[in-house]
Amino acid sequence: GAVVSQHPSWVICKSGTSVKIECRSLDFQATTMFWYRQFPKQSLMLMATSNEGSKATYEQGVEKDKFLINHASLTLSTLTVTSAHPEDSSFYICSARDYGGQETQYFGPGTRLLVL
Amino acid sequence: AQSVTQLGSHVSVSEGALVLLRCNYSSSVPPYLFWYVQYPNQGLQLLLKYTTGATLVKGINGFEAEFKKSETSFHLTNPSAHMSDAAEYFCAVRSYSNTGKLIFGQGTTLQVKP
Repeated sequence: GAVVSQHPSWVICKSGTSVKIECRSLDFQATTMFWYRQFPKQSLMLMATSNEGSKATYEQGVEKDKFLINHASLTLSTLTVTSAHPEDSSFYICSARDYGGQETQYFGPGTRLLVL
Repeated sequence: AQSVTQLGSHVSVSEGALVLLRCNYSSSVPPYLFWYVQYPNQGLQLLLKYTTGATLVKGINGFEAEFKKSETSFHLTNPSAHMSDAAEYFCAVRSYSNTGKLIFGQGTTLQVKP
């Protein structure tokens, strides 16, 4: 099946630093990737839709200057949390849509961010 | 607008018993429906999906779901629960926006008791 990877799986950083998370589709091309945030015991909250070669589409209430998304190739999207603060601590999950598979979204393993 | 409701945030069954996780959707157009499973500290894994065709769809690990248009439901079942099935389960409907994003239900935690 289609595989999506995320790197890193865990990151701990100091308040005020920026953190970059990578999402890669390993065996298929994904013109569209999605970034989610998940709080403990809750469902996934869509943050933004990342389109290859164009600007990301952010959901209402998500700060685009805070969460920078770049989708430079058909297999890689990055999420940068700028000037991270403790309230940004969360589980970030990406997904990639495989058009060949009837538009199924395949999810990465997630990245746990802890901001001290 | 499309939406998904999962009835029951927590379901507990005994090992070997039937598993039933409920999902109802709202959509003005024929929906694409999905069930995903999430194990602790992991991403989501696709269990099964319905797009068109046969309304009873079979997925991995013995799970299946039936699309019932008249009931706007897509309940997930497994005839015999295993301890390894304990996880969080999410039902989702594909949005008909041009982004094709998924709209998730609130999730159901499945507990399997020995």
